[in-house]
Amino acid sequence: DTAVSQTPKYLVTQMGNDKSIKCEQNLGHDTMYWYKQDSKKFLKIMFSYNNKELIINETVPNRFSPKSPDKAHLNLHINSLELGDSAVYFCASSQDFGSTGELFFGEGSRLTVL
Amino acid sequence: AQKITQTQPGMFVQEKEAVTLDCTYDTSDQSYGLFWYKQPSSGEMIFLIYQGSYDEQNATEGRYSLNFQKARKSANLVISASQLGDSAMYFCAMSAPSGANSKLTFGKGITLSVRP
Repeated sequence: DTAVSQTPKYLVTQMGNDKSIKCEQNLGHDTMYWYKQDSKKFLKIMFSYNNKELIINETVPNRFSPKSPDKAHLNLHINSLELGDSAVYFCASSQDFGSTGELFFGEGSRLTVL
Repeated sequence: AQKITQTQPGMFVQEKEAVTLDCTYDTSDQSYGLFWYKQPSSGEMIFLIYQGSYDEQNATEGRYSLNFQKARKSANLVISASQLGDSAMYFCAMSAPSGANSKLTFGKGITLSVRP
């Protein structure tokens, strides 16, 4: 039973389209995140949510809109896709806010914008 | 702001030997956590080991140990008895600050290749 699951795993689309990635965790964690891994493998946080409330928004273009309908789900909607949006997007969750909060990652969603 | 530095180029190690992957960090927070994650070619992120800033003992998890030198702000990962399955990318990360705005900041990663 997958702890953090993302769908779809692969997404190929044209520039200008709108797409969504869904994430669900069954760990009972309060905090969820979206991370972006670029072509150089650099991982950077985009958003964090705690119990459905947006906590961190790391200067991400407003074409990216996260939504958390409940604390087990965090979706990412991207409008007007650009070539530079091509990346692997990881959803993650953690129990604790603080320094001991290990992140549990989903398998990643590879987005390719043509 | 937090910063993680991993400067080693691709690393190579012979099977069954030990290898050290370097990581230095910078933060003004007193309370923070240090992590290592493994990313094999299949792409998933696998948690390996955690060290808290107030922990006096170095963390160990099986073949993994974290050489924590607080004064030098370094958190090197030591893998003993390397196996072929250890070939992967390894990321050092730091969580800070404490509280609601805590987040993991990652280094750029190091590629490890284990030779048979």
